[in-house]
Amino acid sequence: GDSVTQMEGPVTLSEEAFLTINCTYTATGYPSLFWYVQYPGEGLQLLLKATKADDKGSNKGFEATYRKETTSFHLEKGSVQVSDSAVYFCALSGYTGNQFYFGTGTSLTVIP
Amino acid sequence: NAGVTQTPKFRVLKTGQSMTLLCAQDMNHEYMYWYRQDPGMGLRLIHYSVGEGTTAKGEVPDGYNVSRLKKQNFLLGLESAAPSQTSVYFCASSYSQGNNQPQHFGDGTRLSIL
Repeated sequence: GDSVTQMEGPVTLSEEAFLTINCTYTATGYPSLFWYVQYPGEGLQLLLKATKADDKGSNKGFEATYRKETTSFHLEKGSVQVSDSAVYFCALSGYTGNQFYFGTGTSLTVIP
Repeated sequence: NAGVTQTPKFRVLKTGQSMTLLCAQDMNHEYMYWYRQDPGMGLRLIHYSVGEGTTAKGEVPDGYNVSRLKKQNFLLGLESAAPSQTSVYFCASSYSQGNNQPQHFGDGTRLSIL
């Protein structure tokens, strides 16, 4: 079945460091891929998405490219801020669109 | 801009008690979902609905029931609460079919079963 594997955390970075959170997926057909962010005490918020191979999603300085050949959708940011501290979830929506599959989440802490 | 609203935000129950969690969305979305979030396990789908009057089982449906009598509401029921159901519950909704539609989440209900 469809699934998402996400790098385990927690991740701790200094402010202005480069961030990469790895995400790989298994799916039949042509899924859409998403990154969500969850701040403490809140629900998940959509950060970015990509709906077909080679698409790049971007938002708030974060980027991720849909790589079909490596079945990956890694999240990157060139210079993290303290306000980026949160839990990040990779997710895919299978070809039926009925269900999402989430990774286990990666906790990021950015220290000044 | 209410989006997805969950009621209540917190609740403590005793084993064997019953309760209903309410999810309401004002975006005219067709699809609605209930997840539970547990440490180290990400989000797991409990039940979902693809339209008013329909429901379907997700990954972990046992011990829960749902109803979608109105398009904007999706109720999650625990008939006889168990400590294993202590979790954070999230409701989500999405617009329609098509796998490029993102899900929109509520802020969660934190439920403790003693």
